[in-house]
Amino acid sequence: AQSVTQLDSQVPVFEEAPVELRCNYSSSVSVYLFWYVQYPNQGLQLLLKYLSGSTLVESINGFEAEFNKSQTSFHLRKPSVHISDTAEYFCAVKPSNFGNEKLTFGTGTRLTIIP
Amino acid sequence: DGGITQSPKYLFRKEGQNVTLSCEQNLNHDAMYWYRQDPGQGLRLIYYSQIVNDFQKGDIAEGYSVSREKKESFPLTVTSAQKNPTAFYLCASTTSGRISYNEQFFGPGTRLTVL
Repeated sequence: AQSVTQLDSQVPVFEEAPVELRCNYSSSVSVYLFWYVQYPNQGLQLLLKYLSGSTLVESINGFEAEFNKSQTSFHLRKPSVHISDTAEYFCAVKPSNFGNEKLTFGTGTRLTIIP
Repeated sequence: DGGITQSPKYLFRKEGQNVTLSCEQNLNHDAMYWYRQDPGQGLRLIYYSQIVNDFQKGDIAEGYSVSREKKESFPLTVTSAQKNPTAFYLCASTTSGRISYNEQFFGPGTRLTVL
């Protein structure tokens, strides 16, 4: 079984400041890792994913995340946040074996940007 | 446009009544999922279906039922046996098959309030 821990339920950050949202996972098998973003009263959108290869992955809107196998972490970072980044962010894992499509989500981190 | 439709966006029901939430997708995806989202608890899997006429219980299936008679549709019934049905419900879908990873796409969600 897999589990995901997002220790910070809320993160307030001033506009144009850097931010890091933490994600740690536990799994007995190899996994794929994801960050999803949810804007108020909407569904989830995939922000970025790690499947294999380079441990640093980037999104089109300036977020990046680094897979650290030894620390079982997949923290999300952005060097300078914007008001439009206000949302809830979910880290998720999925076993990498073929046929197992179940995603396990963390409890989410609400990012609030302060003008 | 391809996507996932959930209707209605807001739903109110009296305690003790069954209610069915609609989820339709025109992405030609094989697998469909129902998640429940509560504040501070992230997303929890209720039921999923990887093929028509087949479905499996997720982590919190008690008090819910589903059917998968058509590939495009995966309705969720919240029964009177569900002790705390007020929540935000999200439907998702993905392809399955030979590809080892397939992104889950999410619908916009239905907010159910039981009075």
